[in-house]
Amino acid sequence: GAGVSQSPRYKVAKRGQDVALRCDPISGHVSLFWYQQALGQGPEFLTYFQNEAQLDKSGLPSDRFFAERPEGSVSTLKIQRTQQEDSAVYLCASSLEFPSNQPQHFGDGTRLSIL
Amino acid sequence: AQKITQTQPGMFVQEKEAVTLDCTYDTSDQSYGLFWYKQPSSGEMIFLIYQGSYDEQNATEGRYSLNFQKARKSANLVISASQLGDSAMYFCAMRADNNDMRFGAGTRLTVKP
Repeated sequence: GAGVSQSPRYKVAKRGQDVALRCDPISGHVSLFWYQQALGQGPEFLTYFQNEAQLDKSGLPSDRFFAERPEGSVSTLKIQRTQQEDSAVYLCASSLEFPSNQPQHFGDGTRLSIL
Repeated sequence: AQKITQTQPGMFVQEKEAVTLDCTYDTSDQSYGLFWYKQPSSGEMIFLIYQGSYDEQNATEGRYSLNFQKARKSANLVISASQLGDSAMYFCAMRADNNDMRFGAGTRLTVKP
């Protein structure tokens, strides 16, 4: 498809399990972003890639969160030893690199529920 | 650090009337972009309108316009002729040239018939 694709759409895991969330950005988009959106809140920045380089990971809440984009296209957000507070919608967005007037195009998100 | 503030958790508007959603921001950057997104209950984030920090004219896109007051650091969204389908969460966001993007907490707009 032409848009940002995220999978799975929903993920339920038991506390302590590891999860992996996938994002397939729009073809040709250099920049890729991950956000965490709690219920009723705005998206909170997690991390940002420019091609395969992770330029900013200041928003990752703990070292249990890890993101990669090894070939500069598909990205995976991994959460190890999940906790209940990790329950949220994880949004991926992509955009052209510059200038800053390029809007981010979002996927439909992965709704993660930790039991 | 950038900060986006949306002070209206919820807003109501009568169908066919105009409504203004407030957004203020704080940044030390000289060059930045301001965005508004709509998020319906289905969850997708829909880009609505963009305003550049150096743009002298207020941005407009159909029924959406952005009231940009740079000295006050405000970028309010105006929706004219509200429709029932406009009921959604609305997020203001700012992006600096380092690509860092921050969102406000959002405003839930309800359009009443």
